[in-house]
Amino acid sequence: EAQVTQNPRYLITVTGKKLTVTCSQNMNHEYMSWYRQDPGLGLRQIYYSMNVEVTDKGDVPEGYKVSRKEKRNFPLILESPSPNQTSLYFCATKPITDGHNSPLHFGNGTRLTVT
Amino acid sequence: GQNIDQPTEMTATEGAIVQINCTYQTSGFNGLFWYQQHAGEAPTFLSYNVLDGLEEKGRFSSFLSRSKGYSYLLLKELQMKDSASYLCAAMDSNYQLIWGAGTKLIIKP
Repeated sequence: EAQVTQNPRYLITVTGKKLTVTCSQNMNHEYMSWYRQDPGLGLRQIYYSMNVEVTDKGDVPEGYKVSRKEKRNFPLILESPSPNQTSLYFCATKPITDGHNSPLHFGNGTRLTVT
Repeated sequence: GQNIDQPTEMTATEGAIVQINCTYQTSGFNGLFWYQQHAGEAPTFLSYNVLDGLEEKGRFSSFLSRSKGYSYLLLKELQMKDSASYLCAAMDSNYQLIWGAGTKLIIKP
């Protein structure tokens, strides 16, 4: 089954404690991205990757890091989480070999709370 | 700047028709997407328009007017399970998606 797997689904942590949210896809998609979703603001892109070893900043990259060492994985790293990073996070992927108009496939989301 | 506008919330009755509007301003344009998102769940793809006109897909249809920077999603024969948020996203000249804040649709019996 084609899927985008995010872990964990829920995470409560404290300020400053490094954490990683994992994202893995089995569809061989080139494009992977991370979004955060906050009430009234819609989806905001954090980082994206067009292929292995290629990453770019989205609209709200501050406080986050990513890596793309393998095609299937795109972890999101918060080196020193702060309460303003409390949010719902989504990983999303799509193929781009035939163009950019393919829809995004989303993971199930990670609800992060930083106290 | 780039911007997407859609209503925050709409209410409709089961069995009726509802139209959710979306206006956009982007640097270049490479199409417009509609997604459905149930509370606490991931967005799922509904439609993609890049040419002017209406695309019909079962109970859901999506319309685009490029000259007006306008799109709508039309939902017919509303069912309770259609209660969700509907997200509009326009793709700019760099193939980046500009997202609206979403329209929460409430269906009443």
